[in-house]
Amino acid sequence: EAGVAQSPRYKIIEKRQSVAFWCNPISGHATLYWYQQILGQGPKLLIQFQNNGVVDDSQLPKDRFSAERLKGVDSTLKIQPAKLEDSAVYLCASSLGDSSGYEQYFGPGTRLTVT
Amino acid sequence: DAKTTQPPSMDCAEGRAANLPCNHSTISGNEYVYWYRQIHSQGPQYIIHGLKNNETNEMASLIITEDRKSSTLILPHATLRDTAVYYCIVRVMEYGNKLVFGAGTILRVKS
Repeated sequence: EAGVAQSPRYKIIEKRQSVAFWCNPISGHATLYWYQQILGQGPKLLIQFQNNGVVDDSQLPKDRFSAERLKGVDSTLKIQPAKLEDSAVYLCASSLGDSSGYEQYFGPGTRLTVT
Repeated sequence: DAKTTQPPSMDCAEGRAANLPCNHSTISGNEYVYWYRQIHSQGPQYIIHGLKNNETNEMASLIITEDRKSSTLILPHATLRDTAVYYCIVRVMEYGNKLVFGAGTILRVKS
């Protein structure tokens, strides 16, 4: 079974530029998550989708971050404009459902460096 | 906010058991204890979870104290590939499946 795919794996941009990350979850997984992991810290949930609807985006900085999951499969996370403090690894995860009995499977992440 | 306390780092000799402690003194009766680990440059990986009974799977064992205020993850025969950050997470049993990660414990397995 293929895992969660993410691209690109690495991205370097200058502050105030925009960037987008892509995630393809495990086939059949209805729930998709985006996490931000700053160096030395644990991942922090940014947004959670159930199919193509948002379940939780309370930690998403909505003035600069946006995410969508059209058709309930792939998802993109965008940052516009980027700030230095956005330098982090962005992890995508998926699970069969949104109740806590379902294990989350994580992708390898995209490492973003903002200069 | 994370509701667990873990030591920042631990060392373990290869082939020996690694015992990773976690304190969760404010755990509620319906909250499970989950363990994930994150190997360098990879996403977190689920290891095991439990409510109040001890649990064992092919990766590890989870020992939860009777009062549920602390737990220990046991890797019975640690290998170099077990070097990773280990996260102890108390799961809120409600709609949403949210994971709240703390800083975790860096386990270094040494030959």
